Amino acid sequence: DAGVTQSPTHLIKTRGQQVTLRCSPKSGHDTVSWYQQALGQGPQFIFQYYEEEERQRGNFPDRFSGHQFPNYSSELNVNALLLGDSALYLCASSWTGSLAKNIQYFGAGTRLSVL
Amino acid sequence: EDKVVQSPLSLVVHEGDTVTLNCSYEVTNFRSLLWYKQEKKAPTFLFMLTSSGIEKKSGRLSSILDKKELFSILNITATQTGDSAIYLCAVVKGAGSYQLTFGKGTKLSVIP
Repeated sequence: DAGVTQSPTHLIKTRGQQVTLRCSPKSGHDTVSWYQQALGQGPQFIFQYYEEEERQRGNFPDRFSGHQFPNYSSELNVNALLLGDSALYLCASSWTGSLAKNIQYFGAGTRLSVL
Repeated sequence: EDKVVQSPLSLVVHEGDTVTLNCSYEVTNFRSLLWYKQEKKAPTFLFMLTSSGIEKKSGRLSSILDKKELFSILNITATQTGDSAIYLCAVVKGAGSYQLTFGKGTKLSVIP
C-alpha cells in the first residue's frame, strides 16, 4: 500500500519564477493538506483540499494556490517566488469518513530552494 | 492567536535513558492533540489524544493529555539511537477547522 508520494524531491528556482509541486494521497484517502516547513520550525498550514475545493486556508498570500483532481491527487502552485519561500513543502492526506479523520499522513516532502 | 509550545527545543541523552518531552497549548475550541516523529523529512504519526488522563502506549513510547492544564507529555523509555529525531506536537481545533497547528518540535539525539 503506497503511502503519500510527492514529486519532485528537490527543486531549485530563481526569484520571480513559478513552481508546481505534486502530491498523491495514501490509497483510500480523499483529503489533501499542504504545509510549509522552514528550517528549525514546525510545519505551517497552507491549505486543505476536499472534493476538489479549497476547504480551509492558512495565513499564506494568494501567490500560493492549489488544485485537487478527481483522483484526489493535488498540486501546489507558487507564483513570483521569493527567497523566503525556500522550505520543505509537505503534503498530508486523510480520510474524511474515518473516525480518526484528524490524523494526517505525510509524504517525504519537496525541498524547494529559491536563489 | 493559537499557540503550541514544545520544550525542550533540543535534548541529548545516552542510550537507555528515559526522556519526557513537553507540549503546552493555547487554542480556542480544542479537539485533539497529535504527536509525530520526523526523522529525515516525512513526519510519521505516533499518537492522537482526545480525552484527558487516558494514556496512549506503543512499545517504549507513551503519551498523556491534561486538558485542564492544557499540556501533553511524550515519554520514551530505554531510548535507542533509532529514537533520534524531531518530535512534533500538533493541535486540532473543532468547529469546522481541519488544520494541524504545530509546535517547533523537540530535537532528540540519543548517543551510544
